[in-house]
Amino acid sequence: DGGITQSPKYLFRKEGQNVTLSCEQNLNHDAMYWYRQDPGQGLRLIYYSQIVNDFQKGDIAEGYSVSREKKESFPLTVTSAQKNPTAFYLCASSIGVFADTQYFGPGTRLTVL
Amino acid sequence: QQQVKQSPQSLIVQKGGISIINCAYENTAFDYFPWYQQFPGKGPALLIAIRPDVSEKKEGRFTISFNKSAKQFSLHIMDSQPGDSATYFCAASMWSPQGAQKLVFGQGTRLTINP
Repeated sequence: DGGITQSPKYLFRKEGQNVTLSCEQNLNHDAMYWYRQDPGQGLRLIYYSQIVNDFQKGDIAEGYSVSREKKESFPLTVTSAQKNPTAFYLCASSIGVFADTQYFGPGTRLTVL
Repeated sequence: QQQVKQSPQSLIVQKGGISIINCAYENTAFDYFPWYQQFPGKGPALLIAIRPDVSEKKEGRFTISFNKSAKQFSLHIMDSQPGDSATYFCAASMWSPQGAQKLVFGQGTRLTINP
């Protein structure tokens, strides 16, 4: 089965702790993306990566960090510097440069207590 | 200029009716306009998309109407079914010089189809 997996589905953390969200894809896609979704709002781009060992900030990168050491994996770390981290986080991928369609994973709901 | 404005926020339609969701944008650099469907607790999935060189695209019961001069586009769902109940997002896309797609999403419309 080809697709994007995100784990865990639900994540609870105490305020002030860093937390890493996993995103893995077996679609052989070059480009990967992280979005944040808040209730009643559209998705907002956090980071994206077009190729291994390269990534760029999106519209709301402050308080987040990423790495892209393998083509299949694009983990997102939510740091203690993120002021309001409770949200639904979505990972997506696309074939590569100038590709139209992004395919989304099932998401991770992060709650910071 | 990067915003995409979507309306209505929520919509209730009777089974068999037509559901219409509208979006507007400002940035003329956008050149690809997808609609995504999202069920609760799931990631969005591409439903249908259009480029600005055509005014309408139809796929089954789903139609996008595009008005380039007005910078508006809309999704029409014909013969709406309870299974269509979901949140719908319009988006507008442009590409960075390096070829990365940057999607800007509308705020979403929660559609409920009453049986």
